[in-house]
Amino acid sequence: GAVVSQHPSWVICKSGTSVKIECRSLDFQATTMFWYRQFPKQSLMLMATSNEGSKATYEQGVEKDKFLINHASLTLSTLTVTSAHPEDSSFYICRATVYYGYTFGSGTRLTVV
Amino acid sequence: AQTVTQSQPEMSVQEAETVTLSCTYDTSESDYYLFWYKQPPSRQMILVIRQEAYKQQNATENRFSVNFQKAAKSFSLKISDSQLGDAAMYFCAYRSASSASKIIFGSGTRLSIRP
Repeated sequence: GAVVSQHPSWVICKSGTSVKIECRSLDFQATTMFWYRQFPKQSLMLMATSNEGSKATYEQGVEKDKFLINHASLTLSTLTVTSAHPEDSSFYICRATVYYGYTFGSGTRLTVV
Repeated sequence: AQTVTQSQPEMSVQEAETVTLSCTYDTSESDYYLFWYKQPPSRQMILVIRQEAYKQQNATENRFSVNFQKAAKSFSLKISDSQLGDAAMYFCAYRSASSASKIIFGSGTRLSIRP
């Protein structure tokens, strides 16, 4: 089946720095990528929807300037957490739509120290 | 707005036994899809089963089956012959038929398997 490769799987960064998370669609074109955030023992919360070649659509309460999303090609979408703070520590997951449903990336655990 | 509720934060079952996870949802739409996703310790989201609202027949995938009660807006997951590998977080999810984008997830049920 279609696979979304997400990297890195985990990252530790210092407070104030930026971190980029990549999601690549393998063997298919992902015109739309959805980005989720998951806190420990909680559900997935949709942060934003990215469409290839256009601006991302953010959910209410999500800071556009902090969570920069780029979807420059049909196979790559990136989420950059800018000026990260400890409260940004979380698990981030991307999701793409495929013909039979959906496929998720394997997730990125971000720890800001 | 649609909501998905999982009232069981944690469940435990003896290996080889059967367990049922509950899910209720609220929507004013008549056409939609319901899903159960499994998230093992690896955190990878895995589709377990899917149900189209217009189908009266309950979906089944090997040891996994659902009890879909549209009028009651209930969508429970039954796992038969539980195996150690079934231990995971299980999320119930809703998607409108008119929108392929938004999936609404429940809060999840953590299932543990007792050997």
